Amino acid sequence: AQKITQTQPGMFVQEKEAVTLDCTYDTSDPSYGLFWYKQPSSGEMIFLIYQGSYDQQNATEGRYSLNFQKARKSANLVISASQLGDSAMYFCAMRVNYQLIWGAGTKLIIKP
Amino acid sequence: DTGVSQDPRHKITKRGQNVTFRCDPISEHNRLYWYRQTLGQGPEFLTYFQNEAQLEKSRLLSDRFSAERPKGSFSTLEIQRTEQGDSAMYLCASSTGSREEKLFFGSGTQLSVL
Repeated sequence: AQKITQTQPGMFVQEKEAVTLDCTYDTSDPSYGLFWYKQPSSGEMIFLIYQGSYDQQNATEGRYSLNFQKARKSANLVISASQLGDSAMYFCAMRVNYQLIWGAGTKLIIKP
Repeated sequence: DTGVSQDPRHKITKRGQNVTFRCDPISEHNRLYWYRQTLGQGPEFLTYFQNEAQLEKSRLLSDRFSAERPKGSFSTLEIQRTEQGDSAMYLCASSTGSREEKLFFGSGTQLSVL
């Protein structure tokens, strides 16, 4: 079965600290993509970062990096130097063929 | 603004009424997706279009739901005879269909069925 698991329903992090959001996935398809999206309280889903299953290097986009461990089937999101504006829901998703399969999300709150 | 736009942002309706939502994707994107999201959950796939062709429809989608993309540009999602269980955020997304398949989302339509 294809599945995304996010085990942290919520996290509190002090501003300026780094934070790691966990994501594990399960698929038997050798070709897949992994995404992280941010959803602030306004509701819009904002693309953060992408990792392809055949990509050799971990993806990075500014303060976001994806710690891709293929053998462990994990794709954790690392946010460096967190900011108050990072407070939001964060979703991990996996693309297999045309579908995106989503995790339940992690609510991240940055404390000043 | 060249992002994905959805209309309306909010819709309140009475049980049994029909509702229709509209999505305008990014103009050069040929794929368009509809998702439903309830509070505290990730989005659930409903259906998707490649240009004007509806290529897949989720088993979650009952016969009361229908989606169209008549000219391969904007799309509409209609729910007939709404039920309270239809209350959710309806998200539209579009993409180029590239390998990376980044989906760009609209702000969603929040439906409340009373």
